[in-house]
Amino acid sequence: EVQLVESGGGLVQPGRSLKLSCLASGFTFSNYGMNWIRQAPGKGLEWVASISSSSSYIYYADTVKGRFTISRDNAKNTLYLQMTSLRSEDTALYYCARWYPRYFDYWGQGVMVTVSS
Amino acid sequence: DIQMTQSPSSLPASLGERVTISCRASQGISNNLNWYQQKPDGTIKPLIYYTSNLQSGVPSRFSGSGSGTDYSLTISSLEPEDFAMYYCQQDASFPPTFGGGTKLELK
Repeated sequence: EVQLVESGGGLVQPGRSLKLSCLASGFTFSNYGMNWIRQAPGKGLEWVASISSSSSYIYYADTVKGRFTISRDNAKNTLYLQMTSLRSEDTALYYCARWYPRYFDYWGQGVMVTVSS
Repeated sequence: DIQMTQSPSSLPASLGERVTISCRASQGISNNLNWYQQKPDGTIKPLIYYTSNLQSGVPSRFSGSGSGTDYSLTISSLEPEDFAMYYCQQDASFPPTFGGGTKLELK
């Protein structure tokens, strides 16, 4: 059974940093591109970042470019999102999602990040 | 970026009713349109990919159609577990973008 379990969320002050993790199981992690997608409270879904299976290709939404870094450790079956210079508008539920060609076929349960002083 | 507009944003409906949710893209997306369901506990799963392909395990009461800029998701006969949020998403052009969502609620 495919499982994606996010961790690392919490309350953080504006301008500080936080690192999210997503532990994958039930499939060959190194074969799939992975993504972070977020949902602000009461809002819709927003794609944040993507990384290819071997980390050769990495993409970011304009809203996080230069502040967030996506990475992965295929030996540990883990996806990461390093978030720096956090702003109140980054407050959201962050999901990791597997990329099956052309759509997101498995999603984690999400981890909450709250940016507030 | 391609903008995705869903309608309605809220859809009151009854058990057994047939409902349709619409999604319009700001430009043609050549059937690269996916649908997702989000339950109140936050769980998200894909329903339909590439306009009309049913994801494995999804009941056949769900169907998708469309072309060009206009797409739709239809549920033929509502079951209690179908009351949830629904999102469309385009994959024709980077970055992937989502519609604003449709809340399907019990009338």
